[in-house]
Amino acid sequence: DGGITQSPKYLFRKEGQNVTLSCEQNLNHDAMYWYRQDPGQGLRLIYYSQIVNDFQKGDIAEGYSVSREKKESFPLTVTSAQKNPTAFYLCASSSGLSPLHFGNGTRLTVT
Amino acid sequence: QKEVEQDPGPLSVPEGAIVSLNCTYSNSAFQYFMWYRQYSRKGPELLMYTYSSGNKEDGRFTAQVDKSSKYISLFIRDSQPSDSATYLCAVLILTGGGNKLTFGTGTQLKVEL
Repeated sequence: DGGITQSPKYLFRKEGQNVTLSCEQNLNHDAMYWYRQDPGQGLRLIYYSQIVNDFQKGDIAEGYSVSREKKESFPLTVTSAQKNPTAFYLCASSSGLSPLHFGNGTRLTVT
Repeated sequence: QKEVEQDPGPLSVPEGAIVSLNCTYSNSAFQYFMWYRQYSRKGPELLMYTYSSGNKEDGRFTAQVDKSSKYISLFIRDSQPSDSATYLCAVLILTGGGNKLTFGTGTQLKVEL
């Protein structure tokens, strides 16, 4: 089955700790994306990557970092610098002009 | 002004009703239009994808785009309880630096028995 796998589904961390969210795709898509979803605000783009070893900041990149060492993988690190990290994080991928395919998200809670 | 405006709802309808979900957008350069459905605690899944003005039909779903008014709609016929979800519109523009996809905030729909 082709798709996008995000893990874990739920993640809990203490304030001040960095945390890395996993995203793997087996769709052979070139582009991958990270979005954050908060109630009433829709999806906001954090980072995106159109090719291995290259990525660009989205609209709300502060406090986040990413890497793209393999085509299949695009992990997102939420650093302690992110002021409001508690949210639902969605990873997506696409190829050319095809619409984005999304994973089922990771809900991060920081206390 | 937001680039994409969408009424958040919630919208509650009886089973069998025709549902109309709407978005407006501000940038006439947007070229592709999508509707996603998102169930609670899940990722969005693509329902409809179109690039031209007019209607596109897929089963009980019809997407309508009016580029002159910058207005996009999703109609659901014979709505079912399983259609209860949040519906997100999205618009896409192709740029030299990559594709820019902008989402509406989503409309929460509940179809009641």
